[in-house]
Amino acid sequence: DAGITQSPRHKVTETGTPVTLRCHQTENHRYMYWYRQDPGHGLRLIHYSYGVKDTDKGEVSDGYSVSRSKTEDFLLTLESATSSQTSVYFCAISGSGGGSNQPQHFGDGTRLSIL
Amino acid sequence: DAKTTQPPSMDCAEGRAANLPCNHSTISGNEYVYWYRQIHSQGPQYIIHGLKNNETNEMASLIITEDRKSSTLILPHATLRDTAVYYCIGRNAGGTSYGKLTFGQGTILTVHP
Repeated sequence: DAGITQSPRHKVTETGTPVTLRCHQTENHRYMYWYRQDPGHGLRLIHYSYGVKDTDKGEVSDGYSVSRSKTEDFLLTLESATSSQTSVYFCAISGSGGGSNQPQHFGDGTRLSIL
Repeated sequence: DAKTTQPPSMDCAEGRAANLPCNHSTISGNEYVYWYRQIHSQGPQYIIHGLKNNETNEMASLIITEDRKSSTLILPHATLRDTAVYYCIGRNAGGTSYGKLTFGQGTILTVHP
């Protein structure tokens, strides 16, 4: 299995509080991604990174920010959490060797509940 | 990225081959077909991908039709642990679309004793 660790695995917090989720990889892969999964919507891309300090928005980026200060860590921040951000968050990684068809490998997810 | 169509659910007997179909009639020439599965609430697990040739790895085989409009994922000897939601995804491997895997509703495969 790909070396991906998401933390925390579960979190319950209140509306309006800041929340940071961490994705840590040991594969030295260039690309990292944050998805959210909700019933009826499947997985949707929030943000992704194509290198240290290089990030871009996905399809549901409003309300989220990301940072990548080193290859192994990709942080997802909810500046002021809302109940609509209650979801399961997955981090994924992919390498660049062999072309851009490299598959993404996913972590085990963070279950976030915002009350 | 190509739109894919999969049956919502399938059953398979343990020990038999599970053949999961996927229709991707709008796929373009540089789009790969990827298969993932998701067990319970775990993260999606990569299975296999291909462009136009058939592919096989330790988990499964991928058969792509010559016109590339459809494909079949084959689990040769299904076990109870293969019960999961299986996703077929078309993805453009070129350009700057590294970030996007579009997951549809997938096929719920139930393997029964």
